[in-house]
Amino acid sequence: GQQLNQSPQSMFIQEGEDVSMNCTSSSIFNTWLWYKQDPGEGPVLLIALYKAGELTSNGRLTAQFGITRKDSFLNISASIPSDVGIYFCAGLDTGNQFYFGTGTSLTVIP
Amino acid sequence: SQTIHQWPATLVQPVGSPLSLECTVEGTSNPNLYWYRQAAGRGLQLLFYSVGIGQISSEVPQNLSASRPQDRQFILSSKKLLLSDSGFYLCACRSGISTGELFFGEGSRLTVL
Repeated sequence: GQQLNQSPQSMFIQEGEDVSMNCTSSSIFNTWLWYKQDPGEGPVLLIALYKAGELTSNGRLTAQFGITRKDSFLNISASIPSDVGIYFCAGLDTGNQFYFGTGTSLTVIP
Repeated sequence: SQTIHQWPATLVQPVGSPLSLECTVEGTSNPNLYWYRQAAGRGLQLLFYSVGIGQISSEVPQNLSASRPQDRQFILSSKKLLLSDSGFYLCACRSGISTGELFFGEGSRLTVL
């Protein structure tokens, strides 16, 4: 099945820096989801987006639903050590199928 | 919001042995339920999904099976495990097709030796 293109694959940043990652799809999505997964645990839903152009925040996290409906962005501002983990995007297409990105591994250096 | 429980959290089984992983959901009714496998490369592979009791759709032909005996219970099974069945299994829940949110359980780590 289709897999979403998520970039970057990994990031090493200093504490306090901002982070940006994105996902792109070859097809149109109705919903974009962003998750964080810690080692050995299930993904935790961070943000859900439902409309093209929508910009939604959850604390220091901000995500946007791309205008073309084929991409989405996640930004983390002023990173802290507990932001470490793997961030996934997921999209729900017009056929009600979920697709997932391969994840961005974030390391925050104190 | 719904809560998804999976057990066991960790399981070590010999090749050829049976498997039963359970998933139960609280806080919602008539959910769509999913079983995913996550390999070391982090990608999520859809194994089964269910839109109601007794209704199972299989996405990948394999020696695994799924059952939904109750509205909020989803079970992943195998009669004989293979080495390739090792992985991290995730149960997920969507509260009907009117919402696009998908929630995951804590996961079950299966090691087949």
